[in-house]
Amino acid sequence: KQEVTQIPAALSVPEGENLVLNCSFTDSAIYNLQWFRQDPGKGLTSLLLIQSSQREQTSGRLNASLDKSSGRSTLYIAASQPGDSATYLCAVKGGSQGNLIFGKGTKLSVKP
Amino acid sequence: DVKVTQSSRYLVKRTGEKVFLECVQDMDHENMFWYRQDPGLGLRLIYFSYDVKMKEKGDIPEGYSVSREKKERFSLILESASTNQTSMYLCASSTPGGPELFFGEGSRLTVL
Repeated sequence: KQEVTQIPAALSVPEGENLVLNCSFTDSAIYNLQWFRQDPGKGLTSLLLIQSSQREQTSGRLNASLDKSSGRSTLYIAASQPGDSATYLCAVKGGSQGNLIFGKGTKLSVKP
Repeated sequence: DVKVTQSSRYLVKRTGEKVFLECVQDMDHENMFWYRQDPGLGLRLIYFSYDVKMKEKGDIPEGYSVSREKKERFSLILESASTNQTSMYLCASSTPGGPELFFGEGSRLTVL
């Protein structure tokens, strides 16, 4: 059974720092991996999606990488800002019709 | 942009009441999903539907039912609400085999 783990559970950094959030999964046979952002009391917003054949995806200050063989993905945030404060979740999909399996998230706090 | 709308952001109900949570999406997506999110447990899939009148159980269907009479609308029903169903409920939609999942803003249910 696929399990997704995100470490650390919480992270606090000063504004301007570059940071990395980690996601690991136990079954490397994934269809894709998706990173989401969730603000307090709100729904999830999709940030980046990496197909199983891809190694990375970039959007603005965000870069997500995927290493299927080692069961890992990282989300790199450059030049962090207080507005980046949120919980970041990763989720993996086992097949084209498979359901997403979510990690429990990393709560990021960026201090001004 | 895809819009997934959950009609009730906050609800307070009594134990034993019947509760309806409504979700509507405007992008003609075939797939719709209901999750609940609890601290320390992450997101867990309750039910999903790949087409009108179709429904499939997720990981935690007990105590819930769903209805999908129209393509754009997916309802979650708590036949007799209990306190352990106090949670944040999130609806999502996607195209068949579609890589991305789009979420609504969530419905926070409190059962007293």
